[in-house]
Amino acid sequence: NAGVMQNPRHLVRRRGQEARLRCSPMKGHSHVYWYRQLPEEGLKFMVYLQKENIIDESGMPKERFSAEFPKEGPSILRIQQVVRGDSAAYFCASSPQTGEADTQYFGPGTRLTVL
Amino acid sequence: AQTVTQSQPEMSVQEAETVTLSCTYDTSESNYYLFWYKQPPSRQMILVIRQEAYKQQNATENRFSVNFQKAAKSFSLKISDSQLGDTAMYFCAFMKHRDDKIIFGKGTRLHILP
Repeated sequence: NAGVMQNPRHLVRRRGQEARLRCSPMKGHSHVYWYRQLPEEGLKFMVYLQKENIIDESGMPKERFSAEFPKEGPSILRIQQVVRGDSAAYFCASSPQTGEADTQYFGPGTRLTVL
Repeated sequence: AQTVTQSQPEMSVQEAETVTLSCTYDTSESNYYLFWYKQPPSRQMILVIRQEAYKQQNATENRFSVNFQKAAKSFSLKISDSQLGDTAMYFCAFMKHRDDKIIFGKGTRLHILP
């Protein structure tokens, strides 16, 4: 059973460009979470999605950031007009609908560098 | 609001020794989960151990065990017979029951020395 997949693993963007980060949850998982990790910090929650629905976006910056989890395909975290302060590791996690619903399994992360 | 505090930014121990990482948290909730995650140099986040607050028995996973003191809001991780592969950043984390966000501490960088 493949784990949570994220791509790309590394992404370099210049200021003002757009960044698209993708996350495919574990098979059978319908809940997706995005976290951001700044250098030398712990992870900070950004957004929680289920298929076609944003459930909790209380950790998302109000501007330039958006997330989706379509009926088909991976979840996407989109950052428009990136700035240097967006440089961070972005982790996706997923959890199952039933059973161990409260355990989140993390992907390997996408390291975003803004030049 | 819930907070998680790890008071040891960095620790070093010799291989095969036992090491304890400290964690305290603050919450007014009665039902919640506590976790320890490991982040090795590869940066992958790996779940080490999980504890349900309603369970009095401390969780164990092979060489990893916790000392959960609910009244003191303390959740320390003990690593026995430490191995070089245990070198990593360790994060203590909290989640309310039926919530969707995990709250992480700032981490403890653990070095296992040969």
